[in-house]
Amino acid sequence: GAGVSQSPRYKVTKRGQDVALRCDPISGHVSLYWYRQALGQGPEFLTYFNYEAQQDKSGLPNDRFSAERPEGSISTLTIQRTEQRDSAMYRCASSSEMELFFGEGSRLTVL
Amino acid sequence: AQSVSQHNHHVILSEAASLELGCNYSYGGTVNLFWYVQYPGQHLQLLLKYFSGDPLVKGIKGFEAEFIKSKFSFNLRKPSVQWSDTAEYFCAVTGYSSASKIIFGSGTRLSIRP
Repeated sequence: GAGVSQSPRYKVTKRGQDVALRCDPISGHVSLYWYRQALGQGPEFLTYFNYEAQQDKSGLPNDRFSAERPEGSISTLTIQRTEQRDSAMYRCASSSEMELFFGEGSRLTVL
Repeated sequence: AQSVSQHNHHVILSEAASLELGCNYSYGGTVNLFWYVQYPGQHLQLLLKYFSGDPLVKGIKGFEAEFIKSKFSFNLRKPSVQWSDTAEYFCAVTGYSSASKIIFGSGTRLSIRP
């Protein structure tokens, strides 16, 4: 596609449920980043991939969070046993020559 | 550790005023620096970037930024702002290798009075 596509755009879930957020990057982009952004804050780094290899996952808050990019294209961020503090905008970006191209984000609300 | 500081949380200016937004970074090595902008209701987009060479870089919409290595700074400037510049501005830093993550500052909200 022309840009980075994220789904779902909005997700409301109950505490304790698992959620999966999907990112479809710009075709050909090697790097893919996941960020979390609270209202009025900057994007908080979670993890990133080069091709299918997860290069850095130091920003994942705890072991309930995981991400994969098995074929070096589409990526999934999974949050297990969601908690209210996980509510945020989750942003994906793919990169060409270190310029990030962001998707519209997935807004997660945990009740 | 890699970090970015933006000390101005909210800046309010009148149209035609000059703008300077501060950005300081911490990184132990050669850096690449960026400014991203997020207009209301839109996603982040690149305003300008510095990789190497001339420390004064020009971006879209009349914005420019100056990399001052001795001060670990990369301040954003615009001589005359317009109402349409109302947005959030984020500074970001990464190291020179492809194995380096991109870290953002907390952002500065810019409000322009018409």
